[in-house]
Amino acid sequence: RKEVEQDPGPFNVPEGATVAFNCTYSNSASQSFFWYRQDCRKEPKLLMSVYSSGNEDGRFTAQLNRASQYISLLIRDSKLSDSATYLCVVMGEYGNKLVFGAGTILRVKS
Amino acid sequence: DADVTQTPRNRITKTGKRIMLECSQTKGHDRMYWYRQDPGLGLRLIYYSFDVKDINKGEISDGYSVSRQAQAKFSLSLESAIPNQTALYFCATSEKTMDSTYYNEQFFGPGTRLTVL
Repeated sequence: RKEVEQDPGPFNVPEGATVAFNCTYSNSASQSFFWYRQDCRKEPKLLMSVYSSGNEDGRFTAQLNRASQYISLLIRDSKLSDSATYLCVVMGEYGNKLVFGAGTILRVKS
Repeated sequence: DADVTQTPRNRITKTGKRIMLECSQTKGHDRMYWYRQDPGLGLRLIYYSFDVKDINKGEISDGYSVSRQAQAKFSLSLESAIPNQTALYFCATSEKTMDSTYYNEQFFGPGTRLTVL
């Protein structure tokens, strides 16, 4: 089983839609969770950290479900500029390091 | 100016050649990392360093070596490049944490696109 698994997509949605991504992880002891955004051929950039109580930043909401070992990202009122790959990141089981999921592709169309 | 820089940005080389990729940061972070990214596989950790005297192997260190010359510099070498090392390489940095059960966010350089023919 991979340490971090994501649905690769692509998710094709119209502008204004709400879209949600899930990510499952294997390290039940992880205390660090993040969502990164990566544009084509560019470096990943932090979108938001994910906290135990869930957190919101504008149109973006992140949730953590420890019992089921998954985190989610909800994007409301999608914009064309939200088109990107979204990477789920979790602290790994082996060694002191972060593990990146392969990413979920989002395409927002007008 | 960018906080994390990588040189070169693009490199085409031949099988068997020695290649060095360089990373510099002005963020003052102790921790530095090298990743490679291949389509469909996501980012995979090659090596990481938590301070100048610390070097650790990551998930895929075979065929690579690193040098942490200073807090701000971390270079990655391919001693004898092979075609399956063709990939996008990223350097990243992060602040250290006082509690090893937590991990701070990582900041990435712009990447080096390496092609081995």
